[in-house]
Amino acid sequence: DVKVTQSSRYLVKRTGEKVFLECVQDMDHENMFWYRQDPGLGLRLIYFSYDVKMKEKGDIPEGYSVSREKKERFSLILESASTNQTSMYLCASRPTGERTGELFFGEGSRLTVL
Amino acid sequence: GDSVTQMEGPVTLSEEAFLTINCTYTATGYPSLFWYVQYPGEGLQLLLKATKADDKGSNKGFEATYRKETTSFHLEKGSVQVSDSAVYFCALRTSGNTPLVFGKGTRLSVIA
Repeated sequence: DVKVTQSSRYLVKRTGEKVFLECVQDMDHENMFWYRQDPGLGLRLIYFSYDVKMKEKGDIPEGYSVSREKKERFSLILESASTNQTSMYLCASRPTGERTGELFFGEGSRLTVL
Repeated sequence: GDSVTQMEGPVTLSEEAFLTINCTYTATGYPSLFWYVQYPGEGLQLLLKATKADDKGSNKGFEATYRKETTSFHLEKGSVQVSDSAVYFCALRTSGNTPLVFGKGTRLSVIA
C-alpha cells in the first residue's frame, strides 16, 4: 500500500515563528503536492513538485515555500507564520505517467497559529 | 480555467435514503473525473473515477457517470449508511502532469 506520512498531526505555533511541515512517501512517486483545506473553500493547491529539486507554484503560494531535496520528501515551510495560515495542510503524491491521475494523501497536519 | 462546482452542504440524510451529490465541471479538452472521500480525522482517499465520456465509476455502492453533454459527474448511492458520513470532493484532471482541480466539498451526515 502506498503510504504518505505527514510528520505532525497537530501543531500550535506563534505568529512570526518559522514552521516546517514534513511529508514522506514510500512509493517512489515523482510528483508531490501541498494543499490547504479550509471550511467553505475546499482544497487549494499551494505548491507542487514534479521531481527532486523542482517546484511549481500552485494557486496560493504567497507566504509559503517548499523544499524537495530527496524524492521521497517534500517539505512545506512557513517563513513567518501568521494567523491566517491556521488551517489543515494536506500532502499528496502521484507517480508520473499514471494516466488516471489518482492522488494518495497523507492524514493531514492541523496547524494553529496564535 | 478549469473548475469544479459541487452542491453545497451540509447534506443530512436518514439511513437507507437515496443520495445524490451534484458535480459539474468546466475544462478544456477531455478531463478525467474523480470523487474523493474524507472520513473524519483522515486524509482524502479515492472513491471512484472515470476517464472518458459515458464511463461509470463505482465503488462501495457509490456510482457516478461521466456525462460530457451536461459536463456532469453526479455521485449517487441507493441506500446510505451511517458509516458514509464524510466529506465528498469532486475533482478533475485535464492532461499531462497537471494537478487535480477540486470542488469545495460536500459534507454528508447520515443519521440512524
